Amino acid sequence: RKEVEQDPGPFNVPEGATVAFNCTYSNSASQSFFWYRQDCRKEPKLLMSVYSSGNEDGRFTAQLNRASQYISLLIRDSKLSDSATYLCVAFYGQNFVFGPGTRLSVLP
Amino acid sequence: NAGVTQTPKFRVLKTGQSMTLLCAQDMNHEYMYWYRQDPGMGLRLIHYSVGEGTTAKGEVPDGYNVSRLKKQNFLLGLESAAPSQTSVYFCASSLGSLRPQHFGDGTRLSIL
Repeated sequence: RKEVEQDPGPFNVPEGATVAFNCTYSNSASQSFFWYRQDCRKEPKLLMSVYSSGNEDGRFTAQLNRASQYISLLIRDSKLSDSATYLCVAFYGQNFVFGPGTRLSVLP
Repeated sequence: NAGVTQTPKFRVLKTGQSMTLLCAQDMNHEYMYWYRQDPGMGLRLIHYSVGEGTTAKGEVPDGYNVSRLKKQNFLLGLESAAPSQTSVYFCASSLGSLRPQHFGDGTRLSIL
């Protein structure tokens, strides 16, 4: 079983829609969590950290459920520019473990 | 600030050749990392460093060596390239172990 799992998608949604991604992690000792965004043929860039109480940054909301060992990302009012691959990241031990990513396409 | 800079951007090698990938960061970060990214696999950690003069193995270290002689530079070496090492390689750096990582824009490496 992979340590961090994500639905690869693609999620094809119309502009203005709300879309949510989940990510599950296998190690209950994971200490920190992040969402990164990666555009095609580009490097990953930090989207947001995920805090235990949940956190929001504009149209983006991240949630952590330690009991069920998953984190989620909600994107409201999707823009064409949100089209990208979203990487879930869990930290445990000494290093980050990246999920394979979920691809999002926002359609006009 | 340039952030994290990787050189070269692209390279094609023949099986058995050697090469070194260079990563340089100007953010005074202690931690540096080398990843490879393959389709459907996500980013996998090759080696990392927690400070100048230190290195440690990650998830997939075989066939690679690294050095961190200066705080700002982290070198990844392939002594005898194999087709299985065809991949996109990303370098990253961070202030500390729990802090977010900043990535370079990658090196696309093809081994024929």
